[in-house]
Amino acid sequence: EAQVTQNPRYLITVTGKKLTVTCSQNMNHEYMSWYRQDPGLGLRQIYYSMNVEVTDKGDVPEGYKVSRKEKRNFPLILESPSPNQTSLYFCASAWAKANEQFFGPGTRLTVL
Amino acid sequence: AQSVAQPEDQVNVAEGNPLTVKCTYSVSGNPYLFWYVQYPNRGLQFLLKYITGDNLVKGSYGFEAEFNKSQTSFHLKKPSALVSDSALYFCAVTLYGQNFVFGPGTRLSVLP
Repeated sequence: EAQVTQNPRYLITVTGKKLTVTCSQNMNHEYMSWYRQDPGLGLRQIYYSMNVEVTDKGDVPEGYKVSRKEKRNFPLILESPSPNQTSLYFCASAWAKANEQFFGPGTRLTVL
Repeated sequence: AQSVAQPEDQVNVAEGNPLTVKCTYSVSGNPYLFWYVQYPNRGLQFLLKYITGDNLVKGSYGFEAEFNKSQTSFHLKKPSALVSDSALYFCAVTLYGQNFVFGPGTRLSVLP
């Protein structure tokens, strides 16, 4: 089944404790992206990647890192999480830029 | 800078009646425009997109959208609403297909 998977689905952590949210797609998509969803703000793009080893900042990259060492994986790293990073995070992938994106199920992160 | 507005937080419509979910955008250049739907506790699903060509775009589940360049709008429409259409709808814009900006979302409630 074609899908985008994210892990973990739920995470509660404390300020400053490094964490990684994994994202994997099995569709051989070139484009991958991370978003955060907050009430009243919609989705805001954190980082995106056009292909392996090619990443770029979205609108809200501060406090986040990403890497794209393999085509299928695009992990999101929070080196020192803070409470304002409490949010619902979505990973997405697409065949290429400007194509429809396939979204993962989301990761609900709470930073205490 | 790109921006998307969805002027209505909530739209209520009776089952069987036509529905419209509004979207206006601001971008310098020729945009790519998208509509996505989010059902409760799910990721986003693609509905339709406008790249170029015919201003009326048809998508999934009987939805369509009309691109109006002079009014910078991309309203989502459906001739006859179903209760199962109740969900959160997002409009999104991108200029070059890499950096996406989403609207804040409109909650559609279809009443039986």
